[in-house]
Amino acid sequence: GESVGLHLPTLSVQEGDNSIINCAYSNSASDYFIWYKQESGKGPQFIIDIRSNMDKRQGQRVTVLLNKTVKHLSLQIAATQPGDSAVYFCAENPGNAGNMLTFGGGTRLMVKP
Amino acid sequence: EPEVTQTPSHQVTQMGQEVILRCVPISNHLYFYWYRQILGQKVEFLVSFYNNEISEKSEIFDDQFSVERPDGSNFTLKIRSTKLEDSAMYFCASSERTGGVTEAFFGQGTRLTVV
Repeated sequence: GESVGLHLPTLSVQEGDNSIINCAYSNSASDYFIWYKQESGKGPQFIIDIRSNMDKRQGQRVTVLLNKTVKHLSLQIAATQPGDSAVYFCAENPGNAGNMLTFGGGTRLMVKP
Repeated sequence: EPEVTQTPSHQVTQMGQEVILRCVPISNHLYFYWYRQILGQKVEFLVSFYNNEISEKSEIFDDQFSVERPDGSNFTLKIRSTKLEDSAMYFCASSERTGGVTEAFFGQGTRLTVV
């Protein structure tokens, strides 16, 4: 399950620092958003979600911010750890009757010890 | 913790052959999905399945593809005549729906290599 890509944007952070990963979405009708983490050789792993009637949601060490005005989603990871190193994808549900998700291109997070 | 399981983890097949990828979704989930990820690219939606029928499918999911829930636990993706460009990681996912879309849980994937 390699999500390794030659052209993935990469964010490199020092262990213990906070990380911010950004995502722009295009469908203004999207009403549900998810962040997934994908480690090499594995499937996407759910991190946190947010619905369009919210602009912020917090989990354990993670926060998702949604700005519907500019169609922007961000994932903040507090006190980044080496185990956070992975590719992060945002995904959106287009807001129709179905449950399909449209994934973004991904950002590689590299945590330096 | 319940998880989605997929078999095999890796499948190599000759072009033109049929392949069946297998998945066992989380037991109380109602929606099932197949996604694929070509190496170096993003995850792409193929099909969703609910109440024993396809609920959505993408342009990728053409007549060469089919899905089936042959019993109460398995969910399969069949590619009738594989092409080189079908080589990818195929992910099965499932979700429960309680009045609105909820997160999909993904399996570890099957790496399909068409030679």
